[in-house]
Amino acid sequence: DTAVSQTPKYLVTQMGNDKSIKCEQNLGHDTMYWYKQDSKKFLKIMFSYNNKELIINETVPNRFSPKSPDKAHLNLHINSLELGDSAVYFCASSQGQFPNYGYTFGSGTRLTVV
Amino acid sequence: AQSVTQLGSHVSVSEGALVLLRCNYSSSVPPYLFWYVQYPNQGLQLLLKYTSAATLVKGINGFEAEFKKSETSFHLTKPSAHMSDAAEYFCAVSEPSGGYQKVTFGTGTKLQVIP
Repeated sequence: DTAVSQTPKYLVTQMGNDKSIKCEQNLGHDTMYWYKQDSKKFLKIMFSYNNKELIINETVPNRFSPKSPDKAHLNLHINSLELGDSAVYFCASSQGQFPNYGYTFGSGTRLTVV
Repeated sequence: AQSVTQLGSHVSVSEGALVLLRCNYSSSVPPYLFWYVQYPNQGLQLLLKYTSAATLVKGINGFEAEFKKSETSFHLTKPSAHMSDAAEYFCAVSEPSGGYQKVTFGTGTKLQVIP
């Protein structure tokens, strides 16, 4: 069983479209995250939820909206996609709000906006 | 504010040679430090972590790292490189910030292993 699974793995879409990425973890972790990895491999946190509550909301355009229906799921919806949104988006989870045991990452969703 | 610097975006070693990947950090409080590995088209996988216990930390796949407070370093080493070690390696620091734990990643070091 995959610990943190994301769908889809690849996403190619046109500018202006709206798309969603889904994430599920079966580790029983309390906290989930969305990270964006750009073309230079730089990882930047976008959002974090702890038990369905938003606890980290970094400087991200309003077009990005996370949703956590329960603590095992964290989805990311992106409106009006732009070329600059092309990146790999990683979902991750950790035990508690303090990831001192490290993250468990999903395998990523490669988003290409054309 | 915390930060992580990884010296060398690309490191090449011969198979069987010592691997040394450098990481320096800045943190206002004793930090938690991590090394992650990313294989092509995969997510990041935790290699090892320092959480204020032993300063020499052993991880998976024969890697280890030593926390040196005086040098603010957490370099990753492996005595003998294997072809399967070729990947991107990320150092990360975690410290309290505004009621939660903020994790900052370095920019990564791509390890090439030459047969």
